[in-house]
Amino acid sequence: QVQLQESGPGLVKSSETLSLTCTVSGASISSYYWSWIRQPPGKGLEWIGYMYYSGSTNYNPSLRSRVTISVDTSKSQFSLKLTSVTAADTAVYYCARDRQVAGGGRVENWFDSWGQGILVTVSS
Amino acid sequence: SYELTQPPSVSVSPGQTARITCSADALPKQYAYWYQQKPGQAPVLVIYKDSERPSGIPERFSGSSSGTTVTLTISGVQAEDEADYYCQSADSSDTYHIIFGGGTKLTVL
Repeated sequence: QVQLQESGPGLVKSSETLSLTCTVSGASISSYYWSWIRQPPGKGLEWIGYMYYSGSTNYNPSLRSRVTISVDTSKSQFSLKLTSVTAADTAVYYCARDRQVAGGGRVENWFDSWGQGILVTVSS
Repeated sequence: SYELTQPPSVSVSPGQTARITCSADALPKQYAYWYQQKPGQAPVLVIYKDSERPSGIPERFSGSSSGTTVTLTISGVQAEDEADYYCQSADSSDTYHIIFGGGTKLTVL
């Protein structure tokens, strides 16, 4: 059974860089796509981006200029960096296994396993 | 880009059927997916590819699609089904990216 665990600072200062890591167990990180998703307090879900172990990435257009997702296959981890954070970036950040499939001229993504989430607060 | 529109709330009594809708212009080109989220917990996938149910999800959860609207149906609602439900799809009109609906709070009366 796949398990994901987010880790990183729970408090980040405004204008600095948010850095989180997701550790994967029970599944090969090289066999799937992996995503970051966030949820501001009391609000809905927002997809941040996904990556494949080869280095291929895709980001939410609204965050693309500030986001980098990378992988360390030797540690079975993938990471999120979000630069120039503001209070609007305060959220619970989830990592998730992304079951991307492609065929018939289209791509499909869905998330079948999630980490427990980590609250990151941006302070001024 | 486009949005997935869900009703903010749905209320049903135990044993009744709850229907939660999700609509958008691009849905016929992409499948829809549904997640259940209980307070303080991570979301759980309950329906994928419009109507497929993952293993371990009760049979009372089902999904359907008609035109630009997909529907999550929960038959014989139980108290434990009270949660937020989110639909998810993808916007492939320009740069492909994943989107979520705003979420629906299901209240079991």
